[in-house]
Amino acid sequence: TQLLEQSPQFLSIQEGENLTVYCNSSSVFSSLQWYRQEPGEGPVLLVTVVTGGEVKKLKRLTFQFGDARKDSSLHITAAQPGDTGLYLCAGANYGGSQGNLIFGKGTKLSVKP
Amino acid sequence: NAGVTQTPKFRILKIGQSMTLQCTQDMNHNYMYWYRQDPGMGLKLIYYSVGAGITDKGEVPNGYNVSRSTTEDFPLRLELAAPSQTSVYFCASSYYRLAASRGNEQFFGPGTRLTVL
Repeated sequence: TQLLEQSPQFLSIQEGENLTVYCNSSSVFSSLQWYRQEPGEGPVLLVTVVTGGEVKKLKRLTFQFGDARKDSSLHITAAQPGDTGLYLCAGANYGGSQGNLIFGKGTKLSVKP
Repeated sequence: NAGVTQTPKFRILKIGQSMTLQCTQDMNHNYMYWYRQDPGMGLKLIYYSVGAGITDKGEVPNGYNVSRSTTEDFPLRLELAAPSQTSVYFCASSYYRLAASRGNEQFFGPGTRLTVL
């Protein structure tokens, strides 16, 4: 069974601080995505990474896919209250999951003004 | 485009009752999915469909049924509601199943919050 472990589970920081969220697995994934979910809404895709070592930037958010395609990180610079939400990583594979997404349990981020 | 829409937004059921959660997408996506999200547990796949008339079980299918008669609609049926089915249910759709450069980018509806008492 493929699993994605996210850490930390909860994170509460002040506006302007930097933070990193981790997504780790013992399995290799063909692609990995990060979603953000706000209370009462469905997850919204932030980014897809597909190449080992790939780095993508989305304004103040930097996403990295590990060289071995088993892990990923999300770094937020100068966090703002609008970044508050649940961050989910999700991996897909040509193998056992047949392309379906395997989700981590999420990191709940709270940014206080 | 409305994207993925779900109805109802909230529902309370008594044990043993039945209901259908509706899901519609207007993006002409072939692939559609049903997930449940329990507190602190991420999203678990219940059923998915790769096109009209084709459905398959996900990780947690017991107690649920689906059908896919059209590209747009993918209803989820609960036949005999149980307290263990209290959860938030999300429908999603995607254009690709697993594209080399795009992975499996899914678009989610706003969810249905179901309580079974």
